[in-house]
Amino acid sequence: DAGVTQSPTHLIKTRGQQVTLRCSPKSGHDTVSWYQQALGQGPQFIFQYYEEEERQRGNFPDRFSGHQFPNYSSELNVNALLLGDSALYLCASSRQENLGQPQHFGDGTRLSIL
Amino acid sequence: SQQGEEDPQALSIQEGENATMNCSYKTSINNLQWYRQNSGRGLVHLILIRSNEREKHSGRLRVTLDTSKKSSSLLITASRAADTASYFCATAGSNDYKLSFGAGTTVTVRA
Repeated sequence: DAGVTQSPTHLIKTRGQQVTLRCSPKSGHDTVSWYQQALGQGPQFIFQYYEEEERQRGNFPDRFSGHQFPNYSSELNVNALLLGDSALYLCASSRQENLGQPQHFGDGTRLSIL
Repeated sequence: SQQGEEDPQALSIQEGENATMNCSYKTSINNLQWYRQNSGRGLVHLILIRSNEREKHSGRLRVTLDTSKKSSSLLITASRAADTASYFCATAGSNDYKLSFGAGTTVTVRA
């Protein structure tokens, strides 16, 4: 039973570039959330996707966008990268039936901006 | 901004001792969850306590919740080297799909 998988594991970009991160949810899960975790901090909610729609969004600018595909996998896109976007980006999946369900996390993508 | 705060920020204990960490939050919740994160890895769900529960146990873990004080505590008994990790509390609001995390407590268990 595969858990949440994310790719790539590490990525180095320069300011102004664009990046796409990918996530496959745990088998049987239909909801995907993305979190940003800066060094030494807790994860910050970016947005959640369900039925290929953004269902809820955190306090992140429009430079952060996402997509969910019919097979429930998801992408996170960040445009016009800033130095402050350097962080661990975590994908989490769950089943949508109930609010506030435990999330299953992937090991993240470490994004470094030079 | 973080929903809650964990206390202490860091904790160092001897193997076999108990570790206690606290979490405070600001808004009403549906439930509160605790997660563990090993260095460089994703978060692992440990335990969930609902807003109408006061205490919950799972193996060596004991969680308490005081909604009047908007606080929770996590106790790890008989700690092991493998318990070395960062621990985060996360709250789920009543009409909220997201989890709001605190800044975490880093626990080091010395052999």
